[in-house]
Amino acid sequence: DAKTTQPTSMDCAEGRAANLPCNHSTISGNEYVYWYRQIHSQGPQYIIHGLKNNETNEMASLIITEDRKSSTLILPHATLRDTAVYYCIVRDRDTGTASKLTFGTGTRLQVTL
Amino acid sequence: DAGITQSPRHKVTETGTPVTLRCHQTENHRYMYWYRQDPGHGLRLIHYSYGVKDTDKGEVSDGYSVSRSKTEDFLLTLESATSSQTSVYFCATGAGASYNEQFFGPGTRLTVL
Repeated sequence: DAKTTQPTSMDCAEGRAANLPCNHSTISGNEYVYWYRQIHSQGPQYIIHGLKNNETNEMASLIITEDRKSSTLILPHATLRDTAVYYCIVRDRDTGTASKLTFGTGTRLQVTL
Repeated sequence: DAGITQSPRHKVTETGTPVTLRCHQTENHRYMYWYRQDPGHGLRLIHYSYGVKDTDKGEVSDGYSVSRSKTEDFLLTLESATSSQTSVYFCATGAGASYNEQFFGPGTRLTVL
């Protein structure tokens, strides 16, 4: 699976959009971009994933550049409860018996009043 | 979210003793995973299962064994616990295709003295 690079930490004011970048310049054509987050002391939580088109769900939007070498997770109206570590993961869909997640150290997002 | 429970939630043990952690799911998910989380390392995969009695090693499997005799239960055993195995352990499950999102349990904090 391709390696990802994320900023170590970011701040965002409550009510504003939080834009979390991720670089994955070695991504291959069969690899998807996944985002998970981990709120303090809890297990990670799936947010969204995509291949090359932009995706949106009730939690967030995912914008993937045309060359697929980077992406941005957008939380449109951040709240204090969105304070967490956000992981960007590139993952191959065709991995045979099981598809494993490879977590890096992620971006620590701090939402402030 | 999938109904995933882990037991015990906290455990303190001594070096050299055997320890078994249990993951129980109520969603009939095919795939189950054990991760450990340590400061500075993110989450790392220990072992995973792609069906009853079908298991395989992850990236940090040394010193650990697993068993899955029923769909709903995935056991992680430390045959002889060492201080380097002090960590937070997370179980995860996955449904349908192997590349679908994973659902994580609440974690078990293990301290080996």
